[in-house]
Amino acid sequence: ETGVTQTPRHLVMGMTNKKSLKCEQHLGHNAMYWYKQSAKKPLELMFVYNFKEQTENNSVPSRFSPECPNSSHLFLHLHTLQPEDSALYLCASSLMGGLSSYNEQFFGPGTRLTVL
Amino acid sequence: QKEVEQNSGPLSVPEGAIASLNCTYSDRGSQSFFWYRQYSGKSPELIMSIYSNGDKEDGRFTAQLNKASQYVSLLIRDSQPSDSATYLCAVNGPTGGGADGLTFGKGTHLIIQP
Repeated sequence: ETGVTQTPRHLVMGMTNKKSLKCEQHLGHNAMYWYKQSAKKPLELMFVYNFKEQTENNSVPSRFSPECPNSSHLFLHLHTLQPEDSALYLCASSLMGGLSSYNEQFFGPGTRLTVL
Repeated sequence: QKEVEQNSGPLSVPEGAIASLNCTYSDRGSQSFFWYRQYSGKSPELIMSIYSNGDKEDGRFTAQLNKASQYVSLLIRDSQPSDSATYLCAVNGPTGGGADGLTFGKGTHLIIQP
């Protein structure tokens, strides 16, 4: 595997379900991010993890719960979602510090989520 | 509230011509600027990054930054039909050693006409 991978690629869930999205980066990066992309809206930052520590929660509802067990893996746990949460959820990673501190972020393929 | 503004288009350019994409941002403290290309149904792909005022060239792409005017642009020379995509402008805050999320514009839909 290379780059940033995400599973599953597509997910359909009911409003009462609990599911998790998984992201893994194979780039040796130390920061990971969750973004949401809805139709006709800009990409929205959800969470930032720097060296496994959450450094930003961009006013995201508690029905979205992130987890970062190490610098290569990132999860987004979902529960009691609403239909308006249907969107493309994108994971990204970057290398912070050293000579490359400009935060170039590389995206995974995304998970297309539909909430019924 | 940081904002990044782009003309949503569509911007239609003949094949072989120069495509010019523009972006303005609101936060004067922004330090890093990026252009991503996103094909329909795919995730964003980083194509250019720029950090200093002036031009940066990479192949057929040139990014231009003017911090005084809070303006970033992307030029695509010798446009090809494969360049047809949505181009996203993204801006990062001051890098104090920590990771920052990017603020994105809504994107410009570019169509290269054969």
